[in-house]
Amino acid sequence: AQSVTQPDIHITVSEGASLELRCNYSYGATPYLFWYVQSPGQGLQLLLKYFSGDTLVQGIKGFEAEFKRSQSSFNLRKPSVHWSDAAEYFCAVGAREQAGTALIFGKGTTLSVSS
Amino acid sequence: DTEVTQTPKHLVMGMTNKKSLKCEQHMGHRAMYWYKQKAKKPPELMFVYSYEKLSINESVPSRFSPECPNSSLLNLHLHALQPEDSALYLCASSQDQGVRLSGANVLTFGAGSRLTVL
Repeated sequence: AQSVTQPDIHITVSEGASLELRCNYSYGATPYLFWYVQSPGQGLQLLLKYFSGDTLVQGIKGFEAEFKRSQSSFNLRKPSVHWSDAAEYFCAVGAREQAGTALIFGKGTTLSVSS
Repeated sequence: DTEVTQTPKHLVMGMTNKKSLKCEQHMGHRAMYWYKQKAKKPPELMFVYSYEKLSINESVPSRFSPECPNSSLLNLHLHALQPEDSALYLCASSQDQGVRLSGANVLTFGAGSRLTVL
């Protein structure tokens, strides 16, 4: 069965420090992979996506993610965190056949940024 | 226009009320979705409309009734809700329900409607 695991429920990072949020997926074929961010009380904003090709994907707001097939991982990184990055981050996997309807979300990681 | 607009942003209703949530997009997307999100949880799919026809109903109780009047609008009619239905209701749209070429159909989400049932 398809699944997404975000091992870290809550992470606190100092402003200016680097960030890595972990995501592991279970899927029989090559998946579509996404990272979404959600600020409190807001909808979800797409940070980046991986469909095929280059395994290092660049997204908005200075985020990047690397697809590692051997580790079934799609970790999100940012070299220098800003206080405005504090939010909930969701990793999601989508089936190629129905990318929208088969979107499976991880439970999310809450990012806090300390000054 | 690259937005999904949801109204109202906040809604408080009693268990005997009838209300509606509205969603609008003008991106030419032909698939629209309703998700329900409880606090500190990921979104859960409720309904999918594809080309204005209901294509997926994830066993949602009948007190939630979706409607897609046209390709730009999606409504969620609410009646006889329970307090446990209180949540953030997210609308999303995508170009199509299926996958076309190399561009998978990424969901664009609205900001959500925060529903409180008393």
